[in-house]
Amino acid sequence: DVKVTQSSRYLVKRTGEKVFLECVQDMDHENMFWYRQDPGLGLRLIYFSYDVKMKEKGDIPEGYSVSREKKERFSLILESASTNQTSMYLCASSHGGSNTGELFFGEGSRLTVL
Amino acid sequence: GQQVMQIPQYQHVQEGEDFTTYCNSSTTLSNIQWYKQRPGGHPVFLIQLVKSGEVKKQKRLTFQFGEAKKNSSLHITATQTTDVGTYFCAPGTGFQKLVFGTGTRLLVSP
Repeated sequence: DVKVTQSSRYLVKRTGEKVFLECVQDMDHENMFWYRQDPGLGLRLIYFSYDVKMKEKGDIPEGYSVSREKKERFSLILESASTNQTSMYLCASSHGGSNTGELFFGEGSRLTVL
Repeated sequence: GQQVMQIPQYQHVQEGEDFTTYCNSSTTLSNIQWYKQRPGGHPVFLIQLVKSGEVKKQKRLTFQFGEAKKNSSLHITATQTTDVGTYFCAPGTGFQKLVFGTGTRLLVSP
């Protein structure tokens, strides 16, 4: 069964802390994505990666960075967490190619920043 | 960035009634995907449309892609309580990046 696994379902952090959200996929997908989901705003793309060590900014990259050292792992980093980064974070992966195929999502990581 | 409008934001229907959600883009799309997210769950892929004017059916769900490839719709015939959730369109730009609409939340009362 194909799987996208996010390391933490729930996290509570304090303002200013560094936060790592980890995502691993077992489908040998080239593309990986990080979205955040907030009520009324849908899913907003933070960063995506179409290959190892490659990354592209999405629509809301400010305050975030990413790392893709291995094909199966895509990490989202909040260098200094702020309260407005309280959200549900969703990782997804898909096959490569010029057109993005079906996205497979992880279960999500709900982050609360106090 | 790409502007994607999805309407309505929310709809509450009685079981057995039909439901339609619309997705409108400001630019021509290479393709469009639709996802369903159950309450407390994560988005799950439903379908991808690629061709102008394309219509695809999955049981009670009918998906359409506009002739100009700028809009799409999802129609559910005779809703059931299992249809509850949020439906997202995700227009493909052809550059691997996938942007989601704001979603339509569907509530079905028995």
